[in-house]
Amino acid sequence: QQQVKQSPQSLIVQKGGISIINCAYENTAFDYFPWYQQFPGKGPALLIAIRPDVSEKKEGRFTISFNKSAKQFSLHIMDSQPGDSATYFCAASEGSARQLTFGSGTQLTVLP
Amino acid sequence: EAGVTQFPSHSVIEKGQTVTLRCDPISGHDNLYWYRRVMGKEIKFLLHFVKESKQDESGMPNNRFLAERTGGTYSTLKVQPAELEDSGVYFCASSPWGNGAGGTDTQYFGPGTRLTVL
Repeated sequence: QQQVKQSPQSLIVQKGGISIINCAYENTAFDYFPWYQQFPGKGPALLIAIRPDVSEKKEGRFTISFNKSAKQFSLHIMDSQPGDSATYFCAASEGSARQLTFGSGTQLTVLP
Repeated sequence: EAGVTQFPSHSVIEKGQTVTLRCDPISGHDNLYWYRRVMGKEIKFLLHFVKESKQDESGMPNNRFLAERTGGTYSTLKVQPAELEDSGVYFCASSPWGNGAGGTDTQYFGPGTRLTVL
């Protein structure tokens, strides 16, 4: 039973376009929602994170939108660049447990 | 500051053999986590150390897996005997002590060890 469902599995976007990746969760006790970016041969690296007391967080070209009632959150990459091509994972954790529950990942390709 | 390091980067073994993976967390990080990604699926939690103590090992698949963290520094994950389904990428992550409000939730991941069991 997958507690965090991520879509799409793969995404191809033209340079300058908007990339949108969606995640949905089941556990209402989750209170921390990070997005990780992974390049080939590297480990996942924290990109941006949000807590459920806000509905949106923006850092540069990256924005998380959070809908607590729908139990959904999404990553928007504005003005996508070829250098953004990577695998993106959404995740969630619950209070002091702190273990991350990951989505299955989205392979993003930004075409030049 | 050095990041999380893992050794080896790749390991190919035969079914029934033993393999030991090592993780060196960022210096000073009390929290150390092991995760595994199998066949392109989601990254799954294995266990969590706080210093040298196992805080949560609910994700360990079975008793063929043994994790240790000597003196609260580096950690090892031993698989004995290895089975075909153990193949995957094993990630280690570390974070400073804290729990969101007073510290940080950011987990810093190593590059992973790709394990192939033939």
